[in-house]
Amino acid sequence: AQSVTQPDIHITVSEGASLELRCNYSYGATPYLFWYVQSPGQGLQLLLKYFSGDTLVQGIKGFEAEFKRSQSSFNLRKPSVHWSDAAEYFCAVGGRNNNDMRFGAGTRLTVKP
Amino acid sequence: GAGVSQSPSNKVTEKGKDVELRCDPISGHTALYWYRQRLGQGLEFLIYFQGNSAPDKSGLPSDRFSAERTGESVSTLTIQRTQQEDSAVYLCASSFRAGKQSTDTQYFGPGTRLTVL
Repeated sequence: AQSVTQPDIHITVSEGASLELRCNYSYGATPYLFWYVQSPGQGLQLLLKYFSGDTLVQGIKGFEAEFKRSQSSFNLRKPSVHWSDAAEYFCAVGGRNNNDMRFGAGTRLTVKP
Repeated sequence: GAGVSQSPSNKVTEKGKDVELRCDPISGHTALYWYRQRLGQGLEFLIYFQGNSAPDKSGLPSDRFSAERTGESVSTLTIQRTQQEDSAVYLCASSFRAGKQSTDTQYFGPGTRLTVL
């Protein structure tokens, strides 16, 4: 069965520093991969998704993620973090049927001034 | 509407009572999903509706949980005889599916926070 592991429960970075959130997945076929962000009091918002093609995916708010099949990873990156990026980030994996989608436990990002 | 809406936003109930949670998907979205998010945990898939097909109920944790959807509109998630472990945020999402193969994106509602005392 498919699964997602986000090894870091909580990460703290300084504003302006670079960020990388890790995501490892297990899936028996070609995965569809997603990153969602959940800001306090708000619903989940899609940051970016990978279905096929270029393995480096650009998303909203300056985020990007790279699909590495050999490492079963889909890490999220941002070159310079802003205070407004403080939120919970979820990685998800799915297949052609969206009812197969499974989410990781999330990584909480704290941004220090 | 502009996005997925859910009601109520917060629900406090006593153990043993039944609750109903409502989801209004984005107009035109044929697929609707329910998830549960316990404190500090990821999203747990509960149930999925797609058009007039039989729903995928594989994620429902017990027979106390059920959900209905009228056509391609509103859905209600019902939890009977609530238990304290049912306390969580219940999230609804909708998407537009075009055929069997789909790269559709799920759009999430703000969730209903359920507290069972």
